[in-house]
Amino acid sequence: DVKVTQSSRYLVKRTGEKVFLECVQDMDHENMFWYRQDPGLGLRLIYFSYDVKMKEKGDIPEGYSVSREKKERFSLILESASTNQTSMYLCASSPPGRETQYFGPGTRLLVL
Amino acid sequence: GQSLEQPSEVTAVEGAIVQINCTYQTSGFYGLSWYQQHDGGAPTFLSYNGLDGLEETGRFSSFLSRSDSYGYLLLQELQMKDSASYFCAARNSGNTPLVFGKGTRLSVIA
Repeated sequence: DVKVTQSSRYLVKRTGEKVFLECVQDMDHENMFWYRQDPGLGLRLIYFSYDVKMKEKGDIPEGYSVSREKKERFSLILESASTNQTSMYLCASSPPGRETQYFGPGTRLLVL
Repeated sequence: GQSLEQPSEVTAVEGAIVQINCTYQTSGFYGLSWYQQHDGGAPTFLSYNGLDGLEETGRFSSFLSRSDSYGYLLLQELQMKDSASYFCAARNSGNTPLVFGKGTRLSVIA
C-alpha cells in the first residue's frame, strides 16, 4: 500500500511565523504535489516537483516555497504566515505517467 | 489553462442511481479522473477515462465524451457510505499536473 504521511494533522501558528509542513511518501514516486483546500474552492495546486531538487509553481504559489532535497520528502514552507493561509494543506505523490495521485491525510493549519 | 465545472451539491436516495457531471474547458486534454473525499479524509482515486466511453468499476462507472468536453461519474445502488465529495480532474498533457474541479458534495438519504 502506498503511504503518504504529513508531519501534523493540526497546527496553530501566529501571524509572521515561519511554518514548515513536511510530506513523506514511501513508494519511490518521482512526482510530488502540494495543494490547499478551502470550502467551495476545491483543491488548488501550490507547487509540484517531478524530481529531487526540482520544483515548479502551481496556480497559487504566492507566499509559499518548497524544498525537495530527497526523493521521498517534499516540504512546504510559509515564510511569514498570514491569516489568509489558514487552510487544509494536502500533499500527494504519483509515479510518472500514471493518473493516480495518492494523497496524505492533510494538515489543517490555523494562523492567528 | 483549464477549468472544470461540476455541480456543487447533489442529494440522492439510498439504493438509487446518481450521475455527477463534469464539463471542462482546456487548452489541451489528456483524460478525466475522478476522486472521492469523505469528510475529514484524504481524496482517493476512483477512475480515469483516457478515451471516450464508459469505464466500470463495481458500482461506480465513469464516462467521457471528448467531442462534448464532458464526462460523468455514475454511482449505482447508492449506500449511505457514498456520502462524500467527488472531484473531477484533468491535465493538459501527460507531463502537467492535475487540475481539479471544485467538487460535488453528494448526500445519500434514507
